Amino acid sequence: AIQMTQSPSSLSASVGDRVTITCRASQVIKNDLAWYQQTPGKAPKLLIYTASNLQSGVPSRFSGSGSDTDFTLTISSLQPEDFGTYYCLQDYSYPFTFGPGTTVDIK
Amino acid sequence: EVLLLESGGGLVQPGGSLRLACVVSGFTFRNYAMNWVRQAPGKGLQWVSVISNTAKTARYADSVQGRFTVSRDNSRDTLYLEMNSLRADDTAVYYCAKDLEGKALAATLDYWGQGTLVTVS
Repeated sequence: AIQMTQSPSSLSASVGDRVTITCRASQVIKNDLAWYQQTPGKAPKLLIYTASNLQSGVPSRFSGSGSDTDFTLTISSLQPEDFGTYYCLQDYSYPFTFGPGTTVDIK
Repeated sequence: EVLLLESGGGLVQPGGSLRLACVVSGFTFRNYAMNWVRQAPGKGLQWVSVISNTAKTARYADSVQGRFTVSRDNSRDTLYLEMNSLRADDTAVYYCAKDLEGKALAATLDYWGQGTLVTVS
């Protein structure tokens, strides 16, 4: 199975900061990667798909980049509602696998 | 409005069985692959299974292969997860989720249910 790693595991940032989260795959997954945000007690929300496509209704401060094994989620200007845990998910090959998550809290 | 509503969770003894259901509305169910994802208490997300829109193919996580079976009834807009030989480490909230693009077997999950808790103890 493809292993997904994320860094950092957690971060604390101020409103307005630029935040970058990295996801790395243990083998090439082309661009078959999506990013999700989950807040406590809620279902995850799709932010970015196919590595760099912004899901409808998601604010443009979110962006994704990368291909093959290395991917990045960037929040250009962190907002209070952006707290939560962010996960990447590869659906390039079975079994599909999530990264372990990156927890973002607001200073 | 797209809605997914899971049911069937509960408390079950180790070795027991449970069947989850996910009733959907607001989209043409038969056109989309569907997935199950779970989350153990205080832990991260784990992908469990995907089934094609026609129900002809399905895939599973290694940890549930041979114990869980995903199915769907396109006439009832309902997705199922049959879980057998349950273990304590199957304890989790189970989410059903819809694939975004309607490809055969994929997991770009644009809509999720609220989840149903399965406790194996």
